[in-house]
Amino acid sequence: EVQLVESGGGLVQPGRSLRLSCAASGFTFDDYAMHWVRQAPGKGLEWVSGISWNSGSIGYADSVKGRFTISRDNAKNSLYLQMNSLRAEDTALYYCAKDIAADTAMVTFDYWGQGTLVTVSS
Amino acid sequence: IQLTQSPSSLSASVGDRVTITCRASQGISSYLAWYQQKPGKAPKLLIYAASTLQSGVPSRFSGSGSGTDFTLTISSLQPEDFATYYCQQLNSYPTFGQGTRLEIK
Repeated sequence: EVQLVESGGGLVQPGRSLRLSCAASGFTFDDYAMHWVRQAPGKGLEWVSGISWNSGSIGYADSVKGRFTISRDNAKNSLYLQMNSLRAEDTALYYCAKDIAADTAMVTFDYWGQGTLVTVSS
Repeated sequence: IQLTQSPSSLSASVGDRVTITCRASQGISSYLAWYQQKPGKAPKLLIYAASTLQSGVPSRFSGSGSGTDFTLTISSLQPEDFATYYCQQLNSYPTFGQGTRLEIK
């Protein structure tokens, strides 16, 4: 059974940093691209960032480019999101999502975690 | 690429046939997926590549379209289908539609 478990969310002041983690199990982690998708309270879905199976291809939404960094450790079956210079508009539930493919050319999310909540407020 | 779903909300009854549309701001071939999200839960993949049913998804769900216009059809609504539905274009910078909330009439 595929499982994705996010952690690292919490309340943080504007301008500070936070690191999210996603622990994956139930599939061969290094065969697939992985992504972060967020959902602000009561709002729709927004793709944040994606990384290919070997970290050779990485992409970011314009809203987070230059502030967020995605990475993965295939030996630990883990995905990460380093979030710097956080803003109030980054407040959201952050989902870790598995792609159906190894690369990020065509993105489809077939499994999702339950999310970790990030609240940016003073 | 912007995706516009219609309607934004919809009321229907169990047994009804329901269609949700998704229009892309430019042609995306068949590179579209549909997701279902229930309150407090993560989204669930229903259909990808416009018309391919994800494993385990009931056959009452179907998708069609290509280019800029796509549809998700539920042939006979079941109680568990009342949820919010999102379309998503599949290119390397994916975007979602704003969602369609399907409510019980």
